[in-house]
Amino acid sequence: GQQVMQIPQYQHVQEGEDFTTYCNSSTTLSNIQWYKQRPGGHPVFLIQLVKSGEVKKQKRLTFQFGEAKKNSSLHITATQTTDVGTYFCAVLLRRAGGTSYGKLTFGQGTILTVHP
Amino acid sequence: GAVVSQHPSWVICKSGTSVKIECRSLDFQATTMFWYRQFPKQSLMLMATSNEGSKATYEQGVEKDKFLINHASLTLSTLTVTSAHPEDSSFYICSAKGRLGNTEAFFGQGTRLTVV
Repeated sequence: GQQVMQIPQYQHVQEGEDFTTYCNSSTTLSNIQWYKQRPGGHPVFLIQLVKSGEVKKQKRLTFQFGEAKKNSSLHITATQTTDVGTYFCAVLLRRAGGTSYGKLTFGQGTILTVHP
Repeated sequence: GAVVSQHPSWVICKSGTSVKIECRSLDFQATTMFWYRQFPKQSLMLMATSNEGSKATYEQGVEKDKFLINHASLTLSTLTVTSAHPEDSSFYICSAKGRLGNTEAFFGQGTRLTVV
């Protein structure tokens, strides 16, 4: 199955600094999703990337999918204390024919702490 | 977005007893639900796929007789942890996928199980 390695495991930043987490795979990925999980909470969907070289932005968050579709990154500009949480990448398993199955394989997650 | 409700949000039980966790899709019909387990500071690990009207599909290494899954209707799946032991203490999260093949996963709030 498709597996992703996510780094770093932990990231501590001062408020205002930037933050980046990376996901890498040895195989070509059909898609990659990003989720945020606040402490004590459940994962919340942020975005899905499917196209080679795709870049999407959500306010201070920038998501990239590599040209070879083997890696992805999430970058947060000028972190705020509200950005605290664990960020996961995940791959959505698709059936033959391309229809979504819904089964997700998660990366290990990056725990972000922001010091005010 | 779609709403998935999970109950209870936390439970403490004695070793040897069974605990039932409910996952409901509140505003859509969920043909498939997924049950994950998450240990502290770790990623979400898929335990099983719950299919409405049929048997659940368990991931490798997950004991189907210990983690009973029932998906009797299009809006409800239950996970029963039977004969719970302290090592079963964890955060259990469900997610749901509707008929329309939405790409994002909608997660319940999670259930924190502590077995004493």
